[in-house]
Amino acid sequence: LAKTTQPISMDSYEGQEVNITCSHNNIATNDYITWYQQFPSQGPRFIIQGYKTKVTNEVASLFIPADRKSSTLSLPRVSLSDTAVYYCLGNSMNYGGSQGNLIFGKGTKLSVKP
Amino acid sequence: KAGVTQTPRYLIKTRGQQVTLSCSPISGHRSVSWYQQTPGQGLQFLFEYFSETQRNKGNFPGRFSGRQFSNSRSEMNVSTLELGDSALYLCASSLARSGGADTQYFGPGTRLTVL
Repeated sequence: LAKTTQPISMDSYEGQEVNITCSHNNIATNDYITWYQQFPSQGPRFIIQGYKTKVTNEVASLFIPADRKSSTLSLPRVSLSDTAVYYCLGNSMNYGGSQGNLIFGKGTKLSVKP
Repeated sequence: KAGVTQTPRYLIKTRGQQVTLSCSPISGHRSVSWYQQTPGQGLQFLFEYFSETQRNKGNFPGRFSGRQFSNSRSEMNVSTLELGDSALYLCASSLARSGGADTQYFGPGTRLTVL
């Protein structure tokens, strides 16, 4: 599974777009990139997942360039409730082998101010 | 569809005791994984169960064990509790389908405090 590197913290203001970049230089061919959001004392919440190019859902966009060595989570128009820790991690496609071992790094602590 | 549920949500034990935590996965999910989260070590993988069999195990002592039932519900047990076992214990479930990334969905966690 890919080892990922993210900024430790980021600050933003309400209404701004926030982009959090994650580096994963040793990503394997069969690794997807997944982002989770976690509030204090709660379980991580799945945000978005992608393999390459761009993926968009109702809460975020994920940009993965052609070399797949990095990815950027984009949160449009953040609000105070987006203050949380965001984790970027790689997880392998399941071909029936052993799964479940997600490797979480330190994550990025996003603080949104009024 | 109901999410992953964990019981109890909070637990206080004393050193030397044992504890059992329970996890009910999302309906239809066959894989259940357990994680420990502490301020110092972050989120760490404990073990994963699929079809009642442990498929993967993290680097934790044998005091940590688990099992999965035929309905995919899972329990984890910690024996001879130590102060350092105080943590948020998280359960995650996934479909465990072949092909494509297997997304894990987490429960709210059980906060264990060891006194």
